[in-house]
Amino acid sequence: NAGVMQNPRHLVRRRGQEARLRCSPMKGHSHVYWYRQLPEEGLKFMVYLQKENIIDESGMPKERFSAEFPKEGPSILRIQQVVRGDSAAYFCASSPSQGSDEQFFGPGTRLTVL
Amino acid sequence: LAKTTQPISMDSYEGQEVNITCSHNNIATNDYITWYQQFPSQGPRFIIQGYKTKVTNEVASLFIPADRKSSTLSLPRVSLSDTAVYYCLVGTLNAGKSTFGDGTTLTVKP
Repeated sequence: NAGVMQNPRHLVRRRGQEARLRCSPMKGHSHVYWYRQLPEEGLKFMVYLQKENIIDESGMPKERFSAEFPKEGPSILRIQQVVRGDSAAYFCASSPSQGSDEQFFGPGTRLTVL
Repeated sequence: LAKTTQPISMDSYEGQEVNITCSHNNIATNDYITWYQQFPSQGPRFIIQGYKTKVTNEVASLFIPADRKSSTLSLPRVSLSDTAVYYCLVGTLNAGKSTFGDGTTLTVKP
């Protein structure tokens, strides 16, 4: 049973470009969470999604950031018009149900904005 | 979500027992306490979770006093590979999200 998959593992973008980060949850998991981690800091919650629904996006910046988890395919975190401050590690986690005892994390995508 | 306070860093030696304490004075009645471990360039990994008293699994123990305003993660006989950042989280199982603090960086020396 494969774990949470994230791709790409490393992504380099120039200021103003778009970044698309993908997350495939563990098999059987219908809940996906996105977190951002700046260097030397803890993870900050961004958004919580179920299939085709955004449940909680209280941690998402109001502009340029969006997330989706379609009926088919991976969850996508999209960052438009990236700026240098968007450089961070973005982690995706999944759980089989809301309030599960644990979230299973992917290896993360490291975004570098030049 | 309740705010947590942990030591920024701790040092230990191989074979010793390590105890990391987390303060969560504003813990709510429905909140659980969960600990995660994170190695560099990896996602966090679940270690243990508890509500009260003591919980033990194959890798760690979690001690929670009666007032639940703090908790202690105990790692028996640490090895060099236990060098990592350890995060304490407090929240409800139905919250659907977790807020990680800055964690405790544990360095195990030979």
